[in-house]
Amino acid sequence: AQKITQTQPGMFVQEKEAVTLDCTYDTSDPSYGLFWYKQPSSGEMIFLIYQGSYDQQNATEGRYSLNFQKARKSANLVISASQLGDSAMYFCAMRDLSSGNTPLVFGKGTRLSVIA
Amino acid sequence: DSGVTQTPKHLITATGQRVTLRCSPRSGDLSVYWYQQSLDQGLQFLIQYYNGEERAKGNILERFSAQQFPDLHSELNLSSLELGDSALYFCASSGAAQAYTDTQYFGPGTRLTVL
Repeated sequence: AQKITQTQPGMFVQEKEAVTLDCTYDTSDPSYGLFWYKQPSSGEMIFLIYQGSYDQQNATEGRYSLNFQKARKSANLVISASQLGDSAMYFCAMRDLSSGNTPLVFGKGTRLSVIA
Repeated sequence: DSGVTQTPKHLITATGQRVTLRCSPRSGDLSVYWYQQSLDQGLQFLIQYYNGEERAKGNILERFSAQQFPDLHSELNLSSLELGDSALYFCASSGAAQAYTDTQYFGPGTRLTVL
C-alpha cells in the first residue's frame, strides 16, 4: 500500500523568502509518480508539479521545484521567492504508474502562511 | 481553470435525503475520479471510471454510487445521508489510460452540508 506523510501541519515564511515543504512516501511499486497540489482558501485543488520515480532530474515549474531523494523516499516541494498568494494548503500525493491511470493517495497537507 | 466542471457548487440537505453530484471532465479525458475531503479523514479516493466502465474502488460507502455516461460526464449519488457525509467532494479527470505521467486535474468541488 502507498502512504504519504507530511509532518508539518503549518509553516510560516516571510515574503520573498524560499520555503521547503516536506513529503515522505512509502510504496512497494517499482514505478510511481509524485505530485504536489495547492488548495487555496477558495477550495479548488491546483496541480503544481510532477516527479516520476525514474526521472533523472528534479522537476521544476517556475518558482516550484521538487527535491526528489529516492533513497530517502522524500519529495520535498521548494517554493522560491514566496508571494502572499502562496498562502494555502499544500498536498503531496502519489500514484502507481505501472498499471495505467490509478487513483492518487494524498498526505494530510501542510498549511503555508506567507507573511508580508 | 482546470477544465473540469462540477455542479452544484454548494448543496445543503437533511439527513436521510439523497443527492446527485455531477462532473464533466476535461475535453478528451476518459478517466474520472471522485474524492472526498473531510476534516477528519482528509482527501480520500472514492471511485474511478474509465470510458464508462468502473476501474477502481476506494473507500466508498454502499450508500454511495456513481456512473459515467456515454458523453463521459459522471454522477455521484449519495443516499440515506448522514451528518458525517458533510464534506467537499471533488471530481478529477485525466487522459488516456497508458499515459504514465498523466496528471489528474480537479474540478472546483461540491461542498455538501448535511443538517
